[in-house]
Amino acid sequence: SQQGEEDPQALSIQEGENATMNCSYKTSINNLQWYRQNSGRGLVHLILIRSNEREKHSGRLRVTLDTSKKSSSLLITASRAADTASYFCATGAQKLVFGQGTRLTINP
Amino acid sequence: EAGVAQSPRYKIIEKRQSVAFWCNPISGHATLYWYQQILGQGPKLLIQFQNNGVVDDSQLPKDRFSAERLKGVDSTLKIQPAKLEDSAVYLCASSFNRQTGELFFGEGSRLTVL
Repeated sequence: SQQGEEDPQALSIQEGENATMNCSYKTSINNLQWYRQNSGRGLVHLILIRSNEREKHSGRLRVTLDTSKKSSSLLITASRAADTASYFCATGAQKLVFGQGTRLTINP
Repeated sequence: EAGVAQSPRYKIIEKRQSVAFWCNPISGHATLYWYQQILGQGPKLLIQFQNNGVVDDSQLPKDRFSAERLKGVDSTLKIQPAKLEDSAVYLCASSFNRQTGELFFGEGSRLTVL
């Protein structure tokens, strides 16, 4: 069974706009990770946020974590065509379990 | 630093045939994972190795799937006999240790079973 579930399943926005994806999970966590997957490629790690952190930034990425609601969000600011990809959240103490992903399309 | 290497990238076989995938993790990474990713879904963990020992294979269909990691480095994943529902991308990943740090993924091996 999947631990994290992303929402929405698909998102299409114009280049330059911000994109927000959400992840909900079921059990308590030590940390939560976000990965990106370009079409036909492997997954690439984006960011890890620990359970005692509320917000983390990395370049144009901003991740928030609300452990009381068991949810996380990934914000990509000033989106670019190259951001078109699937984005997955992943959690797990000893084994990493991925959600179904959000397919993000950036339209030029 | 070389990444995770996988081969072959693509494989097409008939059902009931066998297939094997190979993975070479990043040097020094003790933990190796095989994930199955069906089109449109997230990766599902099949098996996790710590050095050459199995940590978790609870979701590996052991009647047809097998995996080994001899000498704690390279790994092979075998499917015999293949079924139509095995059509998927098989992703290998490695990490320095299994305390849920960052995973490094290979490009995957896409299997089509006809």
